[in-house]
Amino acid sequence: DIQMTQSPSSVSASVGDRVTITCRASQDISNWLAWYQQKPGKAPKLLIYATFSLQSGVPSRFSGSGSGTDFTLTISNLQPEDFATYYCQQANSFPLTFGGGTKVEIK
Amino acid sequence: QVQLVESGGGLVQPGRSLRLSCAASGFIFSNYAMHWVRQAPGKGLEWVAAASYDGADKYYTDSVKGRFTISRDNSKNSVSLQMNSLTFADTAVYYCVTYGVSVAGLDHWGQGNLVTVSS
Repeated sequence: DIQMTQSPSSVSASVGDRVTITCRASQDISNWLAWYQQKPGKAPKLLIYATFSLQSGVPSRFSGSGSGTDFTLTISNLQPEDFATYYCQQANSFPLTFGGGTKVEIK
Repeated sequence: QVQLVESGGGLVQPGRSLRLSCAASGFIFSNYAMHWVRQAPGKGLEWVAAASYDGADKYYTDSVKGRFTISRDNSKNSVSLQMNSLTFADTAVYYCVTYGVSVAGLDHWGQGNLVTVSS
């Protein structure tokens, strides 16, 4: 199984900050990497798929990069509605696996 | 618009069974794989199972193999998760999820259905 290691597990940031979350796969997953945002009590929401591509309706301050085993989610100009937990997920092979999550908190 | 409505959750004793169902609408159900993802209280996301568009191929995470069965009925636009021999570790919110309806990802999620395994 492919293990997904996400860091940091939490980050404190202020509105307007730039936040970077990293995700490392235990083996090459090409660009089969997605990012999800989850707010308390709600279902996750797909933000980015295939490493770079923004889901429709997702603000352009969200961006993804990487390839192979190392990936990054960047949130530029953090907004109040961005405080949430973020998960990476590999779709290269079954079983699909998620990272442990990164909680973005208000500083 | 895509809608996924789960049902069947609740409180169940360890060792017993429960069946979750998901009614789908707003897309051509028979064209897409369907997945179940769960989230234990206060924990992260865990992928559980998937069925291919026609139900011919099924995949499971190791911890549920031999206990859970995913099935789908394309004539009724529904997918189910039969959960047997439930343990405390199966306590979670279970989400019914589409893959690839809009884009190449787990792109549409149900509201979630809580399964509590407790004696």
